[in-house]
Amino acid sequence: QSALTQPASVSGSPGQSITISCTGTSSDVGGFNYVSWYQQHPGTAPKLMIYDVSNRPSGVSNRFSGSKSGNTASLTISGLQAEDEADYYCSSYTSISTVIFGGGTNLTVL
Amino acid sequence: EVQLVESGGGLVQPGGSLSLSCAASGFTFSTYGMNWVRQAPGKGLEWVSGISASGTDTYYADSVKGRFTISRDNSKNTLSLQMNSLRAEDTAVYFCAKPLRFLDAFDVWGRGTMVTVSS
Repeated sequence: QSALTQPASVSGSPGQSITISCTGTSSDVGGFNYVSWYQQHPGTAPKLMIYDVSNRPSGVSNRFSGSKSGNTASLTISGLQAEDEADYYCSSYTSISTVIFGGGTNLTVL
Repeated sequence: EVQLVESGGGLVQPGGSLSLSCAASGFTFSTYGMNWVRQAPGKGLEWVSGISASGTDTYYADSVKGRFTISRDNSKNTLSLQMNSLRAEDTAVYFCAKPLRFLDAFDVWGRGTMVTVSS
């Protein structure tokens, strides 16, 4: 099963908003509301930012939001800050009881 | 504090075997399914395997099916991954990850253990 499709990189200036897309199929993203988003800084473990498409774990800034339409999920970060610069990964539960990740998106804060 | 600590990584020759462990603390281990996720150097995340809370149900990525075996000991709060017939493409940092439910969002991660498959 191929990875979910994410843009390789996105960038934005401080204070701006950016959106990262995550495209799958009806067997994963489109078929279940179990899409998650992770933030990973170099040399560290991933951190859960969004679960169940649009829910934020306790402690995650409300500048992070998630949504889904059809087979594509999206992560929006508003009010960009320098500390948001990191790699972001989406993931989804699949119809064959596995988990699939996206290829990752590198966010640069200009 | 909820914590996961992996161990057992190292250098192994192609075709060899290695066993990873993950020690869990700070939560009721026996009530959560657990997972392994890996990340090759400079690459993205790849889900490897998951096991139900009781240990009766196991799931694997196609890339490791038939070579890797996930298991758990709820009496010792320990998750394991037995890796056989290792290949160069198995070289990665292996993370132990606790999900919110089972095969979904991973809210707790270990720091990872590095596995290098090379001659």
